[in-house]
Amino acid sequence: GENVEQHPSTLSVQEGDSAVIKCTYSDSASNYFPWYKQELGKRPQLIIDIRSNVGEKKDQRIAVTLNKTAKHFSLHITETQPEDSAVYFCAASDRNTGGGNKLTFGTGTQLKVEL
Amino acid sequence: EAQVTQNPRYLITVTGKKLTVTCSQNMNHEYMSWYRQDPGLGLRQIYYSMNVEVTDKGDVPEGYKVSRKEKRNFPLILESPSPNQTSLYFCASSLWGGPGDTQYFGPGTRLTVL
Repeated sequence: GENVEQHPSTLSVQEGDSAVIKCTYSDSASNYFPWYKQELGKRPQLIIDIRSNVGEKKDQRIAVTLNKTAKHFSLHITETQPEDSAVYFCAASDRNTGGGNKLTFGTGTQLKVEL
Repeated sequence: EAQVTQNPRYLITVTGKKLTVTCSQNMNHEYMSWYRQDPGLGLRQIYYSMNVEVTDKGDVPEGYKVSRKEKRNFPLILESPSPNQTSLYFCASSLWGGPGDTQYFGPGTRLTVL
């Protein structure tokens, strides 16, 4: 099955700086890579995703890049703000044995944006 | 409002006492899934369902049961809970469960088994 590794586990940046979180995956058949943000005590919420036929996707201050050959993808947050402080999870989608969009998650990155 | 709901949100119970966590979605989604979240381990899939009466095991199904009698509901059943099932549980749903299909999460249920 799929295995997703995520680094770093904690990341502290100054407000206004950029933050980068990296993930690697093992299954070359995985074709969909979402990123979720989870604020303290809240549910994970999708912030951006990328499909395997695209190398980069951007949405305002966040961007995701995908390198299929190397099997890694990254989340980039520019001009960080205190409200960006949260746990971020990457995930890779492969198929459950019975079908269906199975998400395998990384272990999460605690991002802290300091004033 | 389109949403996934779970009940209860918090539950403290004792070893061996059967419990059910309900999950309901009002988006007419076909795919539903249960995850547990533990520190340092991320979210791991317990069970999933592609449609009514179709369920299958995820990565960590031991000690859990599910049912999908109606499209909107996907309860998680712990027949004999044990302390190692103390965790934060999330239900999720998506439209059809295919590649690239966005999963929406419920608010979570924090379970403590004493």
